[in-house]
Amino acid sequence: GQSLEQPSEVTAVEGAIVQINCTYQTSGFYGLSWYQQHDGGAPTFLSYNGLDGLEETGRFSSFLSRSDSYGYLLLQELQMKDSASYFCAASMDSNYQLIWGAGTKLIIKP
Amino acid sequence: DVKVTQSSRYLVKRTGEKVFLECVQDMDHENMFWYRQDPGLGLRLIYFSYDVKMKEKGDIPEGYSVSREKKERFSLILESASTNQTSMYLCASSPGSGTNEKLFFGSGTQLSVL
Repeated sequence: GQSLEQPSEVTAVEGAIVQINCTYQTSGFYGLSWYQQHDGGAPTFLSYNGLDGLEETGRFSSFLSRSDSYGYLLLQELQMKDSASYFCAASMDSNYQLIWGAGTKLIIKP
Repeated sequence: DVKVTQSSRYLVKRTGEKVFLECVQDMDHENMFWYRQDPGLGLRLIYFSYDVKMKEKGDIPEGYSVSREKKERFSLILESASTNQTSMYLCASSPGSGTNEKLFFGSGTQLSVL
C-alpha cells in the first residue's frame, strides 16, 4: 500500500535546529508538501518540493530525494511558537488525492 | 486574504441524527476536500470534489455523503450519526486540476456524537 512514515514526536531546545524526516512508499509520486498544525488549529501549508533538493523559506527548509524516497523539514533558530505538529503529504501524478503522514509533534523546551 | 470557512467550530449531536457540515471557500478553487482527523491517525480523506456536482470517494466514505451544488460550497452529510463519527472534521480547497501540492484548510469542526 501507499504510506508515509514520520516520527511521532521530536523534542528540541529553543534556538536550536531540528530535522523532521519523512519516508514514503507510493506509486506515482509527484511531490512532497509540509504542513504545520498548532493544537486546536487548522493545518497550514509550509513548503513543497516537486524536484530533488532543498527549498528554503525563511527559518524553514525542506528537502527531497526521490532516489531515497525521503524528505525532511528543517527548522532553524527554533522558537517556542514552533511547537506544533508537522505533517508531510505526498501528491500523486494521476489523481487529486494526497497521501498523509501521521504527523510529528514537535516539543520545544526553553 | 484567502479563506475557507466552516460553519461551526463545535457541534454536539445525538446518535441517529442527520448532521450537515458546511464549508465555503472564497478563492474560486476547483477542488474541495473533507477530511477527518483523529489523534495518532493523521488526516483521512472522506470525500473530495473536483468540480460542481462531481464527487469522489476518499479512503473512508462509509456513513458519509457530500453535496456540491455551487463551486464555492461543499457540504458533508452524516446520514445517521454514530459515536464513532466523533472527530475533528476539516474542509480544504485547492486551485486548478492535477496535483494538489498546496491545500487551504478551514479551522475545523469538532463534532461530538453522544
